[in-house]
Amino acid sequence: GESVGLHLPTLSVQEGDNSIINCAYSNSASDYFIWYKQESGKGPQFIIDIRSNMDKRQGQRVTVLLNKTVKHLSLQIAATQPGDSAVYFCAEKESIDYKLSFGAGTTVTVRA
Amino acid sequence: DTGVSQDPRHKITKRGQNVTFRCDPISEHNRLYWYRQTLGQGPEFLTYFQNEAQLEKSRLLSDRFSAERPKGSFSTLEIQRTEQGDSAMYLCASSFPQGALFAGANVLTFGAGSRLTVL
Repeated sequence: GESVGLHLPTLSVQEGDNSIINCAYSNSASDYFIWYKQESGKGPQFIIDIRSNMDKRQGQRVTVLLNKTVKHLSLQIAATQPGDSAVYFCAEKESIDYKLSFGAGTTVTVRA
Repeated sequence: DTGVSQDPRHKITKRGQNVTFRCDPISEHNRLYWYRQTLGQGPEFLTYFQNEAQLEKSRLLSDRFSAERPKGSFSTLEIQRTEQGDSAMYLCASSFPQGALFAGANVLTFGAGSRLTVL
């Protein structure tokens, strides 16, 4: 079936380095993508989103890249901090739909 | 607090008992969603409301599950005759109406979740 998934379940990064979290999606009809961060015991928290008519979008310390040709999405976190340790999910939806479909997540651990 | 509120945060019950979770969405949001999340997995869609109308139910929502949003504001999710496989985090989210064109219109805002443990 159609699904959104992440390439790696875990990522360990040194504090201060840049992090790159990858996500592959299979639904070619998806035209909206979103990254969420989930800390232990909390609900998912919005980080950044991107529509399919864009290939890059920047926020504060975060950049999302979208490659529709290979159906790939990535989240880049600049100067990773201990507070960035969390599980990161990508999610997708079609414009005609109202619900998001989530991948399995990548656990990011920041080493001091 | 203008976020999504869920209650209770934690519920431990014995197999066969009924449980009910409540969600209070952001007041400006007319869309409300229930998701289920098991350990190590992403949230899975359960059901969706637009105002008081329940417009879609996932096949994950067995006959033992029922969700309501009687006045288009808060919502409840009830699980009858709980089973150990029902143990999970139940997440509620809300969003603005479809067609809203401003930035963030498609974003689902999640609550902290209600964690259910069935013994």
